[in-house]
Amino acid sequence: AQKITQTQPGMFVQEKEAVTLDCTYDTSDPSYGLFWYKQPSSGEMIFLIYQGSYDQQNATEGRYSLNFQKARKSANLVISASQLGDSAMYFCAMREGASNTGKLIFGQGTTLQVKP
Amino acid sequence: DGGITQSPKYLFRKEGQNVTLSCEQNLNHDAMYWYRQDPGQGLRLIYYSQIVNDFQKGDIAEGYSVSREKKESFPLTVTSAQKNPTAFYLCASSIDRGMNTEAFFGQGTRLTVV
Repeated sequence: AQKITQTQPGMFVQEKEAVTLDCTYDTSDPSYGLFWYKQPSSGEMIFLIYQGSYDQQNATEGRYSLNFQKARKSANLVISASQLGDSAMYFCAMREGASNTGKLIFGQGTTLQVKP
Repeated sequence: DGGITQSPKYLFRKEGQNVTLSCEQNLNHDAMYWYRQDPGQGLRLIYYSQIVNDFQKGDIAEGYSVSREKKESFPLTVTSAQKNPTAFYLCASSIDRGMNTEAFFGQGTRLTVV
């Protein structure tokens, strides 16, 4: 069954350092998309970055990059030069290409705290 | 500005009451979704709609109902049959259901049973 696993309930990082948030996924669909969302304490979900299953290169968006290892079914988020405003909950999500719902399947989330 | 508006931000429900959460989008998106988030957990799909006048149950639809009479509106009713409704509810929309299509989210409604 399709599933997203985030094994780190909480992470700390020093301001200006890089941090990696882990995400592994399970699907039998060869076509899928992987998303990372940020949820600050205010509650809204903010889209950060997307990686398609057929993309040859790792996705990057500003300070965010995705370390996509297809054979290992992992899609880790790397945040470079952490800022205090990066403190939030981060969710990895997947949408399967064959899905007739278009629903996103979410992991449990990782709470990131950036220390000054 | 285009986006998704959820209201109210906080909602209190008495036991046995039905309450309706509002979700409006001006993004001209076809697909709309309702998710439930419990503390320390990810989001779970309640209902989704891909087109006006059509909607389907998600993974945890029991005790909830929806309607989609207009493209921009997708209200969620939490009925008295929902035994544990206290949660954070998020509405989302996307232009279609493609695997590479970003979902846009509202700011959420926090529902508490009193």
